Order: sequence, then C-alpha cells, then structure tokens
Amino acid sequence: EPEVTQTPSHQVTQMGQEVILRCVPISNHLYFYWYRQILGQKVEFLVSFYNNEISEKSEIFDDQFSVERPDGSNFTLKIRSTKLEDSAMYFCASRESTGNTDTQYFGPGTRLTVL
Amino acid sequence: AQTVTQSQPEMSVQEAETVTLSCTYDTSENNYYLFWYKQPPSRQMILVIRQEAYKQQNATENRFSVNFQKAAKSFSLKISDSQLGDTAMYFCAFMGDNAGNMLTFGGGTRLMVKP
Repeated sequence: EPEVTQTPSHQVTQMGQEVILRCVPISNHLYFYWYRQILGQKVEFLVSFYNNEISEKSEIFDDQFSVERPDGSNFTLKIRSTKLEDSAMYFCASRESTGNTDTQYFGPGTRLTVL
Repeated sequence: AQTVTQSQPEMSVQEAETVTLSCTYDTSENNYYLFWYKQPPSRQMILVIRQEAYKQQNATENRFSVNFQKAAKSFSLKISDSQLGDTAMYFCAFMGDNAGNMLTFGGGTRLMVKP
C-alpha cells in the first residue's frame, strides 16, 4: 500500500540554523500539507499546497517558513532560522484530488529538536 | 474558524470491553468531513475512521464506529472489544469543504487499554 514517507526521522539542530524537512507524498496525490505537534499538545496546521503554490497557511507559518516541491516527488518544509519553540514533531500529509478526496494520509513525522 | 473539542483528556478501559470517546465541534459550514486519528507511542498518525457530514448513516470500520449527531455537532468514537493495541492518543479532526481543506484537530484523548 502506498504511503507518505518523511526524512529524516529525527533532526537535531542549533538555534539559528536552517533546516529542511523532506516528504515524499503518495504518488498520485495532488494536495500536500504540513502540520506540527509540540510535545503534549494538539496537532496544528501549518500550510497546504496545491498546483505548485500555497493554498492556505496558518498564523504559525510566518516568514521563517517556506515550502517547495523541487521535483515531481519531494515536498519540503524549510525553516530558515530555527528557534527553540520550533522543537516539535512535523508531519507531512497528502490527499488525492479525485475519488476518496477527503482523507489526508500522514507520514511518520520528523522530530525536530532545536538546542 | 472551526474548533474541535475533546473533553476527555484520559480514559481507560479493560481489554475486551467497549469505550466511547467524545468529540464536539463548531462550524458554520454545511458540508464537511470528520475523522478520528490514532497516534500510538511511535507518534505516527493513523486514520481510524471518517464520516462525511452529508451522510446520515454512521460510519463503521470493524471494531470502530461513530455516533455522528450533526445537529448537536457531536462525533463520538466507539471502540468495541478493546485490544491492548488500541492503547494510544486519539484525535478527532474536522475538515471543511473549502480551499486548502486543512484539518483542525482536537486536543486528543489518551486511551489506556488494561489487561
């Protein structure tokens, strides 16, 4: 069964450094998402992406964040200058455009630790 | 903006028994989708069950079923014949039928299945 994959599984970085989190969505999916979950808290929406542009973004998704689909398979989240409060689990998700259109399938997540 | 509320931070159930997790939501939309996701200790987000708001029939998936009350904006999850592997965080989530279609999550219910 196809699945969303994410790399790395765990990233440790120093405050102020740039990080890029990578996701490979399910191959025939056209809608892509990033969510984050700070430890012990609820899952929060960051951004949605369709047709090579951002569809929606939350207040969390400020100028420090950017997303890109550099090729036909990868979907990346970049944090330009990490802060301590960016430490969280980051989930990528994807959704089809037809058929079972409403279900988002999640990747296993990347745990980001900012020191 | 939509909100999702899970009023039970923690619950426990004996193996083989039945447990019901509560979820309420607030929206002005008429067409939307509701989901329950399971998050085991691995922190992967796993889809348990989904419900389209325009369908009156409650969704079922094996031991999992929902009680969807649209007028009351309530969407509870019933787990029958609970198994030790059901131990996890359970998140209720809402998705509107609009651009971006982001998921709005509740705060989660930690379910412990006891042997």
